[in-house]
Order: sequence, then C-alpha cells, then structure tokens
Amino acid sequence: KQEVTQIPAALSVPEGENLVLNCSFTDSAIYNLQWFRQDPGKGLTSLLLIQSSQREQTSGRLNASLDKSSGRSTLYIAASQPGDSATYLCAVPSQFTETSGSRLTFGEGTQLTVNP
Amino acid sequence: KAGVTQTPRYLIKTRGQQVTLSCSPISGHRSVSWYQQTPGQGLQFLFEYFSETQRNKGNFPGRFSGRQFSNSRSEMNVSTLELGDSALYLCASSLAPGAVVAETQYFGPGTRLLVL
Repeated sequence: KQEVTQIPAALSVPEGENLVLNCSFTDSAIYNLQWFRQDPGKGLTSLLLIQSSQREQTSGRLNASLDKSSGRSTLYIAASQPGDSATYLCAVPSQFTETSGSRLTFGEGTQLTVNP
Repeated sequence: KAGVTQTPRYLIKTRGQQVTLSCSPISGHRSVSWYQQTPGQGLQFLFEYFSETQRNKGNFPGRFSGRQFSNSRSEMNVSTLELGDSALYLCASSLAPGAVVAETQYFGPGTRLLVL
C-alpha cells in the first residue's frame, strides 16, 4: 500500500527566502508525481507533474525534483512571496497498473506561511 | 476554457438525510474522480468514473455512491448521513484515466458538507 509523507508539516519563512518542501513515498514503482497547492477552504491547484522518466520540472519560481529510487521528491520555491502562503500537497498514483486510473494517494501537506 | 465546477458549494444536512453532489468536468475531459478531505484523514479517494463506468473505488462504505452521465458530468450520493461525513468533497477531472503516461488532474473548488 502506497504511503506518502510530507515534511515539515508547517513552515514559516520571511519573504524572499528560498525554501524546500519534502515528500517521500513508500512504493517507488510510480509513473508520476504531482505537486498541488491548496488555499484555505479551496480546491487544489496543480503546480507540477513529473513523469517517472524525468528528474525535474520547472514552472516559474517552482522547481520539483523526483528521485524514484529513494522514494523522494522535493519542491523548491525561490524568492518566496506572501502570496505563496498555502498548503502544498504531493500525490502519487496509488497503484502501478494501467487500470489504476487517476487514483491518487496524497501526503498530509506542508502548510507554508510567508511573512512580509 | 472553464474549469471544473461543483455544485452546490456549501450544504448543511442533518443525520440520516441523503445528499447529492454534482461535478462538471473541464470540456473534453472524460475521467472524473471524487475525493473526501477532512482534517483528521486528509484527502482520501472515493471513486473514479470514465465513460460512465466506475473504474476504481476507495475504501468507503456503500452509503457512498456515484455515477457518470454521457456528457461526463458526475454525481455522488451519500445516503443516511453521519456526523463523520462532514468534509470537503472534491472532484477532479482529466482527459482520460492515468495510465502509463498520467494525465494532470484538475480539481474543482469543492463542496463543503456539514452534517448536524
């Protein structure tokens, strides 16, 4: 059974700081990993999707890396801004089969606060 | 292109009642997944539909059911509501169920259900 863990659970940083969020998963047989952002009381916004054949994906100030062999992914946020304050979740497919569809297993998330 | 829409956004019910939630996927998307989010359990997969067929089901009791229509819109129903069913219910859509190459899932804003 796939399990996803995110560390730290909460993080508070001053504006402008670079930061790293961590995600680990127990079953390395994944074919992709997604990072999402969730604002309080809102739905999830997809930030980055990394295919298993990739090691990194970048979007603006965000960079996500994937190391399947060690079961880890990191989300790097450069020059953080107050608007980055949100909960960040990583998710992997629950099973490594073609019929597993879009079923995702999520971590508990990291609650990020960027202080002006 | 319009995003995933969910109705209603907020709902208050009493124990024993039933409720139906609706999800309209992004135009052209044929896969719809449902998730329950609670502070204690985080995000948990309910079920996934593709081409009007349930492809995957999570570990929820039979009180939770769903269906998908020919236009890919989906509904989920919860019968005999319990206090523990209070949660944010999120719907996600993708072009097709993730297979070897996964599709990014796009989430709606959610329906917040409160059971009294």
